Amino acid sequence: EAQVTQNPRYLITVTGKKLTVTCSQNMNHEYMSWYRQDPGLGLRQIYYSMNVEVTDKGDVPEGYKVSRKEKRNFPLILESPSPNQTSLYFCASSLTGTGGFSGNTIYFGEGSWLTVV
Amino acid sequence: GESVGLHLPTLSVQEGDNSIINCAYSNSASDYFIWYKQESGKGPQFIIDIRSNMDKRQGQRVTVLLNKTVKHLSLQIAATQPGDSAVYFCAEKFLNTPLVFGKGTRLSVIA
Repeated sequence: EAQVTQNPRYLITVTGKKLTVTCSQNMNHEYMSWYRQDPGLGLRQIYYSMNVEVTDKGDVPEGYKVSRKEKRNFPLILESPSPNQTSLYFCASSLTGTGGFSGNTIYFGEGSWLTVV
Repeated sequence: GESVGLHLPTLSVQEGDNSIINCAYSNSASDYFIWYKQESGKGPQFIIDIRSNMDKRQGQRVTVLLNKTVKHLSLQIAATQPGDSAVYFCAEKFLNTPLVFGKGTRLSVIA
């Protein structure tokens, strides 16, 4: 079954304690992306990756890091989480982010609820 | 900067009626638009898309209309059902730049 898997789904952590949210896709997609979703602000892109070893900042990259060492994995790293990073996070993947792009080829994970206290 | 927005944050409709969700976009160069549905506790799901060289596209019970003159996008849902209750997002794309999502409209269906 084609899917994007995020872990953990729910996490409460403390300020400053490094954490990683993993994302894995089984569709051999080139393009992967992280979003955060906050009330009244919709989905905002944090980072994206066009392919292995290629990552770029989205709209709200501050406080986050990513890596793309393998095609299937795109972890989101919070080196020193702060309360303003409390949010719902979504990982997404698609076959390509450029030519031939189609909305129905974007797959979203189920979301990761992160609370930083 | 360019942004994608929605006219109404919430919309309540009677079951069986038609729903219209609107979206304004500001990047006149955007060449691709998508509507997503997000149910509670789930990630966004693709509903329908339209390219900038079209003004209308129909799917099953849904129609997307694109008015490039006024930079307006709408999603029409025919015979709205309780299962249509969700948050709906429009998104726009320009060439190889990432998708830009609107803030979302919550659709509530009254049985």
